[in-house]
Amino acid sequence: EDQVTQSPEALRLQEGESSSLNCSYTVSGLRGLFWYRQDPGKGPEFLFTLYSAGEEKEKERLKATLTKKESFLHITAPKPEDSATYLCAVYTGTASKLTFGTGTRLQVTL
Amino acid sequence: DTGVSQNPRHKITKRGQNVTFRCDPISEHNRLYWYRQTLGQGPEFLTYFQNEAQLEKSRLLSDRFSAERPKGSFSTLEIQRTEQGDSAMYLCASSLNTDGYTFGSGTRLTVV
Repeated sequence: EDQVTQSPEALRLQEGESSSLNCSYTVSGLRGLFWYRQDPGKGPEFLFTLYSAGEEKEKERLKATLTKKESFLHITAPKPEDSATYLCAVYTGTASKLTFGTGTRLQVTL
Repeated sequence: DTGVSQNPRHKITKRGQNVTFRCDPISEHNRLYWYRQTLGQGPEFLTYFQNEAQLEKSRLLSDRFSAERPKGSFSTLEIQRTEQGDSAMYLCASSLNTDGYTFGSGTRLTVV
């Protein structure tokens, strides 16, 4: 069964303090790894899809990377508006679903 | 196109009552998914439609749950004889094949 583990569970950063979130996965045949941002009371908002080891994608202060066992979401010089829960999910194609981790709750303070 | 729309946003119901949620996907998307999310957890897959055909159901989807997607457009998720354990956020997502799953804002169900 596909497994996705995210760490840390919660992270508190000061504005401008860069850090990384981790998503490790155990799947048979990764077809895609997704990163989503979720604000309280709202649905997940799509950020990135990574398809193969070595791939990197960037959007504003966020950069996602992928290896054969894990993905990192790097946050450079975060701002308070980056505060949210960040979810990682895998798609293997053998089942038509995403398997999600439990997320990392990020809080960025002034 | 304003994305995936879900109604209602919130639903409070008494235990034992039936509830129905609606999802309107992005119009050109052929795939539609239902997920359930409880506090502090990631979304869990419930069921999947390709056009009007329901192709996959999770074991989480008990006999009290039924989903439809008539004519391959909007979808409904009905829960019969609700239980307190059904309290959760119910999320709908759509995609064109396997690209870019787009989620709606969800329906928050509270069973009292």
